[in-house]
Amino acid sequence: QKEVEQNSGPLSVPEGAIASLNCTYSDRGSQSFFWYRQYSGKSPELIMFIYSNGDKEDGRFTAQLNKASQYVSLLIRDSQPSDSATYLCAVGLYGQNFVFGPGTRLSVLP
Amino acid sequence: GAVVSQHPSRVICKSGTSVKIECRSLDFQATTMFWYRQFPKQSLMLMATSNEGSKATYEQGVEKDKFLINHASLTLSTLTVTSAHPEDSSFYICSANKRGGQGDTQYFGPGTRLTVL
Repeated sequence: QKEVEQNSGPLSVPEGAIASLNCTYSDRGSQSFFWYRQYSGKSPELIMFIYSNGDKEDGRFTAQLNKASQYVSLLIRDSQPSDSATYLCAVGLYGQNFVFGPGTRLSVLP
Repeated sequence: GAVVSQHPSRVICKSGTSVKIECRSLDFQATTMFWYRQFPKQSLMLMATSNEGSKATYEQGVEKDKFLINHASLTLSTLTVTSAHPEDSSFYICSANKRGGQGDTQYFGPGTRLTVL
């Protein structure tokens, strides 16, 4: 049974701080890793994907992947109230469906 | 990025009627699309995997005769909720798989909110 785990939160951070969202996965063969953002009442929106160990930066977002530890994280710098949402981690294995984590609810306090 | 549309965005129907939801990949071809359901304050739940030109694969506990899926082309998959009942009221979201050099990426449609009276 492939599993993806996330802390459900809510994670509360003050405006301007760094929000750190974490995700662990069980299948060592996983090859692709994704972060989606879902606002309440809306569908998920892809923020970032990462395939290789290390960091990948895109604007205020940084995804970090450590395959040895089976761990992927998302850092959001200079957090804004508009970043308040549920963040879904998804893990893919070539030729198979993604496995989504349950999501972490982030609240950025003004 | 990639664009996936869904139609309708919202539908209200009477109990016992059937409702069809369309999912289209607008700027890429998708041999595989997925249908999810999400109840308020709950996680996404995968209902089925829709493969172009073949039968859909349903997740355990999802009735294939109630949730009919057709993936007739590389850009269109439809979900028909047959004989809908109030307990089928939910947020239905599709996603489409886009093939890339390093692997697949799922892009979600905006979702369809179904209310069955």
